[in-house]
Amino acid sequence: SAVISQKPSRDICQRGTSLTIQCQVDSQVTMMFWYRQQPGQSLTLIATANQGSEATYESGFVIDKFPISRPNLTFSTLTVSNMSPEDSSIYLCSVAGTTDSYEQYFGPGTRLTVT
Amino acid sequence: KQEVTQIPAALSVPEGENLVLNCSFTDSAIYNLQWFRQDPGKGLTSLLLIQSSQREQTSGRLNASLDKSSGRSTLYIAASQPGDSATYLCALRTGGATNKLIFGTGTLLAVQP
Repeated sequence: SAVISQKPSRDICQRGTSLTIQCQVDSQVTMMFWYRQQPGQSLTLIATANQGSEATYESGFVIDKFPISRPNLTFSTLTVSNMSPEDSSIYLCSVAGTTDSYEQYFGPGTRLTVT
Repeated sequence: KQEVTQIPAALSVPEGENLVLNCSFTDSAIYNLQWFRQDPGKGLTSLLLIQSSQREQTSGRLNASLDKSSGRSTLYIAASQPGDSATYLCALRTGGATNKLIFGTGTLLAVQP
């Protein structure tokens, strides 16, 4: 299994500002995933982050709004830029296990409120 | 396009009852299916993972089954407890690690003491 930590656990931000969320994994992983969960909704994949290459974004998500860094095999950051109240969500970092089962593990999430 | 649906959307039961949560999917070509638990405002905790070649998995009071031909998975919770109250999500993977998880809509479970 993988143990994932995220910082901050929650934040309240003003419209127009940016927030960077950090994700740390206790083991080396090839791919890290960033998800968004809007209030009352299920999870939506934002992007997949590979070490040493550009992140791959899902339809509806763009790099200018959600820039991602992946400097090494245990760490990634997601920035939510120029925030609006519609960005209020839980943001979750996730990794897939390295065995053939590809069991997926999630961090505790970052609860973001934009006022 | 694969779609994943969970029924019911919400469920309230008295403590001690056995219960079944349902997860339906439209395409039987899946790699595996995973059940998660999510407490309010928190991340996801993996409960059970079933590979496409398996029929069921058990962990303590939890039992998950998979029937690809009918596009269904069920999560059985025995002797429910108030601490089981949470949202339960199923998610399936259509390929290996490069494929994303497709999440169901979730079932909000409340176990009344």
